[in-house]
Amino acid sequence: EDQVTQSPEALRLQEGESSSLNCSYTVSGLRGLFWYRQDPGKGPEFLFTLYSAGEEKEKERLKATLTKKESFLHITAPKPEDSATYLCAVRIPGTGNQFYFGTGTSLTVIP
Amino acid sequence: EADIYQTPRYLVIGTGKKITLECSQTMGHDKMYWYQQDPGMELHLIHYSYGVNSTEKGDLSSESTVSRIRTEHFPLTLESARPSHTSQYLCASSAGTTISLEQYFGPGTRLTVT
Repeated sequence: EDQVTQSPEALRLQEGESSSLNCSYTVSGLRGLFWYRQDPGKGPEFLFTLYSAGEEKEKERLKATLTKKESFLHITAPKPEDSATYLCAVRIPGTGNQFYFGTGTSLTVIP
Repeated sequence: EADIYQTPRYLVIGTGKKITLECSQTMGHDKMYWYQQDPGMELHLIHYSYGVNSTEKGDLSSESTVSRIRTEHFPLTLESARPSHTSQYLCASSAGTTISLEQYFGPGTRLTVT
């Protein structure tokens, strides 16, 4: 069954302590993997799109990478303002533009 | 910053009432979506539209209905609210082209049915 799994569910980091979030997927024939950031009480905010294994995208302290089975969101020297829930989504094969979403990783960066 | 708006942001309403959640976008996107999100759970697609006069139900069984009379407007209506409808409702839009598949989300409506 097609699905998206994110780990860990929650992550607490000290400010400046780099780490990675994982998104594994079992969708056959990937047609796009997406990372979003969601702050409490708000809608998700688009971060990155990855299409093929080996692709990488960067934005400030965030870097997303993609393999054939999973994606990583690397956070380098995080700051407290990076605290949020990070969601991963994959495009559902055979649909025009629908997605499976993971349950997210809740990141807390402690000053 | 994405230009997609939802009203109201918060709504507390009694069982049996009819409610409409509003969603508008100014980006000219053809594709629009309604998701339901509960704490710690993934987003579930409840309705989507690929253009004017086009609406479909998503994977989550829902007692709501939607309409798409104008490109920019995609309201969701609950004819008779129940406590099980208590949730966060997120509206999203997308250009949905080959090079622009990402979705842009509104701020959400937090609905509580008492």
